[in-house]
Amino acid sequence: DSGVTQTPKHLITATGQRVTLRCSPRSGDLSVYWYQQSLDQGLQFLIQYYNGEERAKGNILERFSAQQFPDLHSELNLSSLELGDSALYFCASSVGEGGTGNTIYFGEGSWLTVV
Amino acid sequence: AQSVSQHNHHVILSEAASLELGCNYSYGGTVNLFWYVQYPGQHLQLLLKYFSGDPLVKGIKGFEAEFIKSKFSFNLRKPSVQWSDTAEYFCAVNMESGGSYIPTFGRGTSLIVHP
Repeated sequence: DSGVTQTPKHLITATGQRVTLRCSPRSGDLSVYWYQQSLDQGLQFLIQYYNGEERAKGNILERFSAQQFPDLHSELNLSSLELGDSALYFCASSVGEGGTGNTIYFGEGSWLTVV
Repeated sequence: AQSVSQHNHHVILSEAASLELGCNYSYGGTVNLFWYVQYPGQHLQLLLKYFSGDPLVKGIKGFEAEFIKSKFSFNLRKPSVQWSDTAEYFCAVNMESGGSYIPTFGRGTSLIVHP
């Protein structure tokens, strides 16, 4: 158990719908990262938040958004869902804001299936 | 372009065989290197990491990796694999993105160990 908690573990929804994935970082960690894992794209970095502020942005679609709340938990919002959004979404956390020597620890992921 | 390459997509071994998984990266900045393992149905777990110092790094479960700067490589090794090592292995390199160092992952190597 890494200490990073993600809910829900599994989610099935229809195209066009919107879902919210939730993540609680390890105790003491201030950064949260979101990754998407799919068979064709591998592990893709989406976005990082540090202490409530967006810190780095990766290959995140405009239909997706995220935020980090004052209690440091984070939510990833996926809207206008398409079949291709079906993937495993990982949250990870780290102590620092992402300097050299940054090590991230992963949660168990949220399986999203869009039908 | 900055990238991480894992040359072996699928590896099949018998128990007690030796393992070496290749990882090469293309990045000109300060390197922080990682190997993560993902057991079936589980999250990514950190096996080992290299930040500086001795280029031969020892991790958990008998794994080790060697950083060879001149070859831009960070290969993972284990002298004698076990059936329980069956998993997906990911190499990652921290790469600078908008001022933050974000782990960029290779596509992974699927290892199957036959008893």
